[in-house]
Amino acid sequence: RKEVEQDPGPFNVPEGATVAFNCTYSNSASQSFFWYRQDCRKEPKLLMSVYSSGNEDGRFTAQLNRASQYISLLIRDSKLSDSATYLCVGTGAGNNRKLIWGLGTSLAVNP
Amino acid sequence: EPEVTQTPSHQVTQMGQEVILRCVPISNHLYFYWYRQILGQKVEFLVSFYNNEISEKSEIFDDQFSVERPDGSNFTLKIRSTKLEDSAMYFCASSARQRDGYTFGSGTRLTVV
Repeated sequence: RKEVEQDPGPFNVPEGATVAFNCTYSNSASQSFFWYRQDCRKEPKLLMSVYSSGNEDGRFTAQLNRASQYISLLIRDSKLSDSATYLCVGTGAGNNRKLIWGLGTSLAVNP
Repeated sequence: EPEVTQTPSHQVTQMGQEVILRCVPISNHLYFYWYRQILGQKVEFLVSFYNNEISEKSEIFDDQFSVERPDGSNFTLKIRSTKLEDSAMYFCASSARQRDGYTFGSGTRLTVV
């Protein structure tokens, strides 16, 4: 099982749609999780941290389910500017701070 | 908004040559990292650096690679003898605390010919 696994997509959705991305991770001892966004040939940019209690930032909601080792990202009312690759990222266990990256899920929001 | 700065943005080098990639992390950050991304592939961890020493490195980070923080602001990645397969986008990142998400620089695209 890959350390962090995502459906690569692409997801093609119309403007205004709600879209959900899922991610699973294999190391139950991983402590922190994040969603990053990456535009083509650009650096990853932190979108949000992911907590078991769930967190929301505007149109974006992230959720962590430790029992199922599953992370989700929900985007409501999608905009053209949301088109990008969304990367699910976890840290290693304990004091291991390296980020372990999924391959990313590609989203295209169409007019 | 504070940012991580990387130079150069693009470097072309001949196989076997040494390259130094430069980074200026955010000034109050304490943890520094190098990652790379080969076109179309995952972002891969290379090395983390804290308190003036390497805290962790990956299998990719072999004897050809080294990092340095020469003057308290710059953070460099040196590749001693580049290979074709070193061609990738190299990202520097920093964070204030261990549990924070990172801020990435805009990357250096290294092309080895």
